[in-house]
Amino acid sequence: AQSVAQPEDQVNVAEGNPLTVKCTYSVSGNPYLFWYVQYPNRGLQFLLKYITGDNLVKGSYGFEAEFNKSQTSFHLKKPSALVSDSALYFCAVVLMNRDDKIIFGKGTRLHILP
Amino acid sequence: GAGVSQSPRYKVAKRGQDVALRCDPISGHVSLFWYQQALGQGPEFLTYFQNEAQLDKSGLPSDRFFAERPEGSVSTLKIQRTQQEDSAVYLCASSFGGDFNYGYTFGSGTRLTVV
Repeated sequence: AQSVAQPEDQVNVAEGNPLTVKCTYSVSGNPYLFWYVQYPNRGLQFLLKYITGDNLVKGSYGFEAEFNKSQTSFHLKKPSALVSDSALYFCAVVLMNRDDKIIFGKGTRLHILP
Repeated sequence: GAGVSQSPRYKVAKRGQDVALRCDPISGHVSLFWYQQALGQGPEFLTYFQNEAQLDKSGLPSDRFFAERPEGSVSTLKIQRTQQEDSAVYLCASSFGGDFNYGYTFGSGTRLTVV
């Protein structure tokens, strides 16, 4: 069965430092991979996706993610963190041409310290 | 409207009460999904519609949960005889179906509290 793992419940980063939020996936086929962000009392907001092509994808708010097929990872990164980046981040996977439903990781809470 | 709209925003139900949660997807979106998000957890898939057809309901936790989308647009998630473990945020998402350029658009959710 397909699954997504986010090994860190919480990540703390000082403002201005680079940040990484980790994600690994397990699927039997080729995945679509997504990152979503959730602010308190808000719905999920799309950040970026990997479908095919360049392994490094750029998304909203200066975030980027690198698809690594050999390590089955899709870590979220940002070169310089902002306090406003503090939120809950979800990695998600959809199986290409198999099923349209998204499977989410459990989420990682990102705290950016001023 | 421009986004996915869910109502009510908050719902408090007494245990045993029936509730109905509404989702208005983006106009023209073929696919519609319901997810359940418990406190501190990631969203869990409940059910999926393509137009009016319910193609996957494997995530519905019990036969107390029922979803419909009779005209292929608005969807309702109904929970009968609510239990405390049903307390969660219920998220609705829509997409063009097979178009992943913008992923799925999620609504703000309905926070259900069963007391």
